Amino acid sequence: SQQGEEDPQALSIQEGENATMNCSYKTSINNLQWYRQNSGRGLVHLILIRSNEREKHSGRLRVTLDTSKKSSSLLITASRAADTASYFCATVPNNAGNMLTFGGGTRLMVKP
Amino acid sequence: DVKVTQSSRYLVKRTGEKVFLECVQDMDHENMFWYRQDPGLGLRLIYFSYDVKMKEKGDIPEGYSVSREKKERFSLILESASTNQTSMYLCASKRVLIRNQPQHFGDGTRLSIL
Repeated sequence: SQQGEEDPQALSIQEGENATMNCSYKTSINNLQWYRQNSGRGLVHLILIRSNEREKHSGRLRVTLDTSKKSSSLLITASRAADTASYFCATVPNNAGNMLTFGGGTRLMVKP
Repeated sequence: DVKVTQSSRYLVKRTGEKVFLECVQDMDHENMFWYRQDPGLGLRLIYFSYDVKMKEKGDIPEGYSVSREKKERFSLILESASTNQTSMYLCASKRVLIRNQPQHFGDGTRLSIL
């Protein structure tokens, strides 16, 4: 079963706009990770946020984590056409060793 | 940079065939994983390996087996391929059993079973 559920499932924006994707999960976690997948390719790790962290930045990416609501968000600022991809959140639950559990992903399209 | 290489990008096989999917990583990672990815279902873990000759079942191991004879190589085996195993297969590796480490993925093998 999926631990994380992304929202929205699909998002279409214009270049230069910000894109926000949300992830909800069910059980307590050790950390939450965001990955990007270009069409027909493997997943690329973007950012990891630990359960005791609330916000993390990496370049144009900003991730927040609210453990009380069991939710996370990924914000991509000043989006570019090259950001077009699927974005997945994945959690490492506290009681499940080190395995990642993935959500269904958000398909982001950035129009030039 | 970590490189995870999957032997085939696309593969077409027939029902009942024995199918081997190969994955090699070049960073001496102890942990390796096989996932399948289907529309609407996300990534689901088939098998993983903590180290050489070690393997553990994931969420959907039925119809699959694995082999890890060398640290850098993790093979996924479909003993008797069926059409419901048509999917995208992704291999990943990870440095030791530490939680706060990402997994590194290969480019995937899109497998079609006819």
